[in-house]
Amino acid sequence: GENVEQHPSTLSVQEGDSAVIKCTYSDSASNYFPWYKQELGKRPQLIIDIRSNVGEKKDQRIAVTLNKTAKHFSLHITETQPEDSAVYFCAASRQAAGNKLTFGGGTRVLVKP
Amino acid sequence: GAVVSQHPSRVICKSGTSVKIECRSLDFQATTMFWYRQFPKQSLMLMATSNEGSKATYEQGVEKDKFLINHASLTLSTLTVTSAHPEDSSFYICSALAGFTDTQYFGPGTRLTVL
Repeated sequence: GENVEQHPSTLSVQEGDSAVIKCTYSDSASNYFPWYKQELGKRPQLIIDIRSNVGEKKDQRIAVTLNKTAKHFSLHITETQPEDSAVYFCAASRQAAGNKLTFGGGTRVLVKP
Repeated sequence: GAVVSQHPSRVICKSGTSVKIECRSLDFQATTMFWYRQFPKQSLMLMATSNEGSKATYEQGVEKDKFLINHASLTLSTLTVTSAHPEDSSFYICSALAGFTDTQYFGPGTRLTVL
């Protein structure tokens, strides 16, 4: 089955700096890659996603890049703010497998004011 | 749009009792819902896939007789933890697959504590 690895597990950045989180996946047939933000005790919230027919996607301060050949994708957050502090999860799925998501281990991001 | 609710948000029960958790898609129909379990400071682990009108599909290692899933309508799936024990204490989260976008939207979670 699919295996998703996520790095780093913790990330501390100064407010205004950029944060980058990287994920690798094992199943070359995976075709959907969402990123979720989860605050303590709350539900995971979708912040951005990318499909395998696209190499990059951007939404304001958040961007995701996908390298299908290398089987890795990354989340980029620019101009970080204290409210960006949370745990971020990457995930991968493929439609043929019922859209089941396999999650990475999570990255705890702390933005220091 | 794409709101998922979950009830209850917190439940405390005695060992040996059963607990039912409801997951509802409020503004869309979901033929597929998923149930996850999340331990403190860990990732989400898929327990089972719930399909409307058919039996749930369980992930390896998840006891189907202990975690009963019913997806009776296009907007409601339930998870019943039977004969709960302290090791079942966890954060249980459902998600609903929004077919029009192939995106999963998550419920707010249920924190189960078994004494």
